[in-house]
Amino acid sequence: GAGVSQSPSNKVTEKGKDVELRCDPISGHTALYWYRQSLGQGLEFLIYFQGNSAPDKSGLPSDRFSAERTGGSVSTLTIQRTQQEDSAVYLCASSQEGTSGPQETQYFGPGTRLLVL
Amino acid sequence: DAKTTQPNSMESNEEEPVHLPCNHSTISGTDYIHWYRQLPSQGPEYVIHGLTSNVNNRMASLAIAEDRKSSTLILHRATLRDAAVYYCILRGFNNNDMRFGAGTRLTVKP
Repeated sequence: GAGVSQSPSNKVTEKGKDVELRCDPISGHTALYWYRQSLGQGLEFLIYFQGNSAPDKSGLPSDRFSAERTGGSVSTLTIQRTQQEDSAVYLCASSQEGTSGPQETQYFGPGTRLLVL
Repeated sequence: DAKTTQPNSMESNEEEPVHLPCNHSTISGTDYIHWYRQLPSQGPEYVIHGLTSNVNNRMASLAIAEDRKSSTLILHRATLRDAAVYYCILRGFNNNDMRFGAGTRLTVKP
């Protein structure tokens, strides 16, 4: 079946503008995760959804970042008033059941490359 | 989260085995050891995971030390397509995310 998809694949924006990044998880996956990867770095956890609720928002770097998930499926990560340090690859992952424990596999999308000028 | 330590980079020749080490000396009894890899310009992909016993799948083998303080990902015959950054990650109960370190960048030479 189809994997995790993300759009857009690339986004160039000007400092101060708002951007929306979209993630379509694998059908039936109840858990959804957002990560950020700066150039040459490992992944930084941002937020996790179980269904439509986000029990863990601890990784959001500032109040300019927000995310929502509707219908237990598509999620949108919004960055308001973008800054140059927001430039990174934003990765989305989904898994079948977020509470099934530490054996769970996450399936990643290809990411959205965001460049803030 | 328990922390993992991996070498920054490793090199291998094509069609030779590769052993990628990971130290996790503060691992707890319920932490699973996961390995993911990230090919250039792609999102990470699952490779293998285990708890105590060694594990094999079509991609790789995972050898876990008896005290579980270290593990080794084994690629039996490296190909050029195996060139990637390999991440060793610990996952326990109540962890809803995976803490990725810098990983090991594997270069495969023809």
